[in-house]
Amino acid sequence: QLQLQESGPGLVKPPETLSLTCSVSGDSIKSNSHYWGWIRQPPGKGLEWIGISYYSGSTYYKPSLKSRVTISVDTSKNQFSLRLRSVTAADTAVYYCARLRYSDSRYAPGLFDYWGQGTLVTVSS
Amino acid sequence: DIQMTQSPSSLSASVGDRVTITCQASQDISNHLNWYQQKPGKAPKLMIYDASNLETGVPSRFSGGGSGTDFTFTIYSLQPEDFATYYCQEYHNLPPITFGGGTKVELK
Repeated sequence: QLQLQESGPGLVKPPETLSLTCSVSGDSIKSNSHYWGWIRQPPGKGLEWIGISYYSGSTYYKPSLKSRVTISVDTSKNQFSLRLRSVTAADTAVYYCARLRYSDSRYAPGLFDYWGQGTLVTVSS
Repeated sequence: DIQMTQSPSSLSASVGDRVTITCQASQDISNHLNWYQQKPGKAPKLMIYDASNLETGVPSRFSGGGSGTDFTFTIYSLQPEDFATYYCQEYHNLPPITFGGGTKVELK
């Protein structure tokens, strides 16, 4: 059974860098059928897509976050990571990691089929 | 970027009711539309993919439809475990991927 688990600091000071890791078990992160991504949810609000990465390093980011975000994959540890630079209080959220699979038509990797439990990151001095 | 307008933002219903949520895209997204269920304190769960396909293990009382710009998500005979927030999500012009604002289904 595939499992994803987020880890990292729960408190980050502005304007430092938020760093989270997602550990994957039950599947190889080198799967050629999947991407790996991050989504966040501010307290009491909706879901916001941050970005996704293929194991080879191909990445897609939300345009408004692109200048501050890096998603990387470590195949040796079966993990992937999120780095968000220059954080502000607006970056306070529950951060989820997730696996994406392709649609049946293989159009694009757009289906989030497995999720981590989420981790709350608070940005405050 | 594609905008996803989900309605209503909340609704009240009783066990056994039929509930329908709509999602409208700002441009044609074909059938590249998924639906998720999220319960408090939990991660979202994929329910419907590609507008109308039931994800494995999801009960058949859940259904999705539509294509182009207008989509629906229906729960036939609402059950106690179905009270949650539901989100639509498009992936037509990756990047970005966009979620709707959510619909909270509450007990009347």
